[in-house]
Amino acid sequence: GQQVMQIPQYQHVQEGEDFTTYCNSSTTLSNIQWYKQRPGGHPVFLIQLVKSGEVKKQKRLTFQFGEAKKNSSLHITATQTTDVGTYFCAGPLYNFNKFYFGSGTKLNVKP
Amino acid sequence: EAGVAQSPRYKIIEKRQSVAFWCNPISGHATLYWYQQILGQGPKLLIQFQNNGVVDDSQLPKDRFSAERLKGVDSTLKIQPAKLEDSAVYLCASSSQGYTGELFFGEGSRLTVL
Repeated sequence: GQQVMQIPQYQHVQEGEDFTTYCNSSTTLSNIQWYKQRPGGHPVFLIQLVKSGEVKKQKRLTFQFGEAKKNSSLHITATQTTDVGTYFCAGPLYNFNKFYFGSGTKLNVKP
Repeated sequence: EAGVAQSPRYKIIEKRQSVAFWCNPISGHATLYWYQQILGQGPKLLIQFQNNGVVDDSQLPKDRFSAERLKGVDSTLKIQPAKLEDSAVYLCASSSQGYTGELFFGEGSRLTVL
């Protein structure tokens, strides 16, 4: 079954509002990656986090990796219509050589 | 640098027919993945190759799905016979660093089974 869950499943925001998606794994992840998939497109890599408690920023996007390496979050400040898409977390489960994708959070931004 | 190439982009078949998808990864990428993405869901790993060896195929329905990567470069995924529930986008991805590196995805092959 699904071992990497994301919440919320959907998020509708007004342009300019903030957005956060949370990723939770049932087991430890050696690293976590985030991908963005535009409607009709394929997943595109955003970032990778490796260290426990790591925080990385890309312009308006802030990514965090939990201390136990079982959870992660992506925060977007002041959303824009170009942020529309589905955001997936993904990672290889520790000691399991399987690269799992989360269930995804679909973001819709109203102008 | 050329990206991951997949073909065909779209395929419509009747149930119980067969279909094959082809993937050519980025040059030099040793790891190749096939994912199935059903509408509204996250990609589900079907099979992972390291060069021409299978690393993981635990979620591949082996009674109807098969995949090969004979020379450690391009790969083929086959479904025979197809079922209605196989309707999905089949994504191929490659990585240069095994399961710790960034995945580069192809455009995907959209399968509709009628």
